[in-house]
Formats: sequence, structure tokens, C-alpha cells
Amino acid sequence: QLQLQGSGPGLVKPSETLSLTCTVSGGSISSSSYYWGWIRQPPGKGLEWIGSIYYSGNTYYNPSLKSRVTISVDTSKNQFSLKLSSVTAADTAVYYCARQPHITIFGVVTSPSWFDPWGQGTLVTVSS
Amino acid sequence: EIVMTQSPATLSVSPGERATLSCRASQSVSSYLAWYQQKPGQAPRLLIYDASTRATGIPARFSGSGSGTEFTLTISSLQSEDFAVYYCQQYNNWPPWTFGQGTKVEIK
Repeated sequence: QLQLQGSGPGLVKPSETLSLTCTVSGGSISSSSYYWGWIRQPPGKGLEWIGSIYYSGNTYYNPSLKSRVTISVDTSKNQFSLKLSSVTAADTAVYYCARQPHITIFGVVTSPSWFDPWGQGTLVTVSS
Repeated sequence: EIVMTQSPATLSVSPGERATLSCRASQSVSSYLAWYQQKPGQAPRLLIYDASTRATGIPARFSGSGSGTEFTLTISSLQSEDFAVYYCQQYNNWPPWTFGQGTKVEIK
């Protein structure tokens, strides 16, 4: 059974860089069938997609965060990571990692789709 | 960016009753829509993908319908474990992949 486990500091100072890692177990991050994504949820609010990465290193980022986000993958460790720079209090949120399957139409791989499963989430607070 | 709008924000339902949740897209997303359930302190769980296909292990009382811009999640007979927040998400036009703001299903 595939599991995702996020890890990283729970407290980051304003203007610094938030760094989180997601470790995948029970399956390979190098599968051609999946992207791997980061989604965040501010306290009491909804879900916001941050970005997604393929095992080859191909990435998609949310345009609203693109200038501050870097997502990378380490296939040897079965991990992918998120870096968000110049954080402010508005970046305080629970950060989730999740697997994102490709849609396959008549055997042809098209695009990343929904998110399943999700990691347990890491609360990151931005505060001095 | 496609904006997803869910209604109502809160739905009060008695156990055993039917719940109907709506999700509207700002432009057509075909059938590329997923539904998630989130309980307090937990990560979201996939319920439905491709608008109407139940994910593995999801009870038959959950059903999804719709296409284009109008979608519905129906819970046929609410159980105590179904009181939660529900989100829709489109994957037709991206990036970004976008979520609705959520509908909270509470006990009446």
C-alpha cells in the first residue's frame, strides 16, 4: 500500500525559505504513471495546489506561487521536496504531499489528474 | 484559471437522509472532476474521479454526476462518519489544478 510521509520544520521565520520533503513508501516514485504534488491548506480554509513533479524532473507550478517555488525529486531516496522562498504569515498552512495519476485515454497517457493518496500533512507556521 | 464554486457552504442534514452537494466550474471541465472528503485533522480522501467513478473502497452511498460546468455529489443515506467537509477539484485545464472552497456537511 502506497504511503506518503511529509517532513520538515514546523516553524519558519518571515523572509526565510520553507523546506519540506515527502518520502514515498510502498511504491516507486519513478513510475511513469504518476506525478507527485504539493497542496496546502491555511488554517480553517480551503485547498490550494502548489506544484507537481514527474520523476524525470518535469514540473508544473501554480502561477500565483511560481516565482517562489521550487520542487525537486530524488529518485534514489524515493523522495520529492518543496522549497518556498520569502515566506510571510500568509504561507502558514498545512502542507500535503500527494500522488497524481495520469489520465489514460485508449491507452494513451495524457495529463495529470486527481490526487490520491495524500500524506498526513505538515503544519508550517511562519512567525518570528 | 478555472474557478470552482461549491454550494451550499454548509449543509445541515439528519443521519439517514440524503445530501446533495453542488460544484460549478467557471468554464467547461468536461468530466474531469474529482470529489474529496476531509475530516477534522485529517488529509483529504479521494471519493470520486472522472465525475462519477467511485475510488477504491468508497461505499456505494456516494455517487457523482454531471459534466461540463455543473456537478453533483450525492450521499444517499448519511452515516455518522460522513459528516465532514467535501471539496471538488477540476483537472481539465491546468496549471493550476483548482479546488472548490468546500461544503461542510453537519448534523442537523
